[in-house]
Amino acid sequence: QKEVEQNSGPLSVPEGAIASLNCTYSDRGSQSFFWYRQYSGKSPELIMSIYSNGDKEDGRFTAQLNKASQYVSLLIRDSQPSDSATYLCAVNPSGGSNYKLTFGKGTLLTVNP
Amino acid sequence: EPEVTQTPSHQVTQMGQEVILRCVPISNHLYFYWYRQILGQKVEFLVSFYNNEISEKSEIFDDQFSVERPDGSNFTLKIRSTKLEDSAMYFCASSALTGYTFGSGTRLTVV
Repeated sequence: QKEVEQNSGPLSVPEGAIASLNCTYSDRGSQSFFWYRQYSGKSPELIMSIYSNGDKEDGRFTAQLNKASQYVSLLIRDSQPSDSATYLCAVNPSGGSNYKLTFGKGTLLTVNP
Repeated sequence: EPEVTQTPSHQVTQMGQEVILRCVPISNHLYFYWYRQILGQKVEFLVSFYNNEISEKSEIFDDQFSVERPDGSNFTLKIRSTKLEDSAMYFCASSALTGYTFGSGTRLTVV
């Protein structure tokens, strides 16, 4: 069973702080990694994608990937109350359909004003 | 920005009834998917569809489920005889070479 694991939280940070979200995955052959944001009752919204080892920055968001450790993380700088949501890590496993995603259960982030 | 459209947004059905969930993917996307999310649980892959046939399905996608693209634009998920445990949010998605766009979801409640 190919798994994606995340701390369910809740992770609580003050406004303006850095929020750090972590994810591990079991399928060593995985090639594509995604972070989604999901507000309660809404659909997942893509925040970042990352495909190679290292860091990828987009505005206040930085994704980090370490394939050797099977670890992917998301940093949110200058956290805002509007960032309060569940953050889903998703992995495109090797084999089968190229674009099937396996999701973690998500980490609930609360940013306190 | 192009959207994946799902209808209805909320469907209530009696156990044992058939339901059809509808989706209009983004027009130039080639891959289509259904996912579901039971309340409080993870988003789970159900099925992927490419070139007018199922390319992959999960263990959840048993004989009670079917998908079709009846008219080249709509993409439907049918559940033949609903069970209480089918109550969930159902998300349609479509993709091009990389990246997904999810629809806003259909909340299915089986009573």
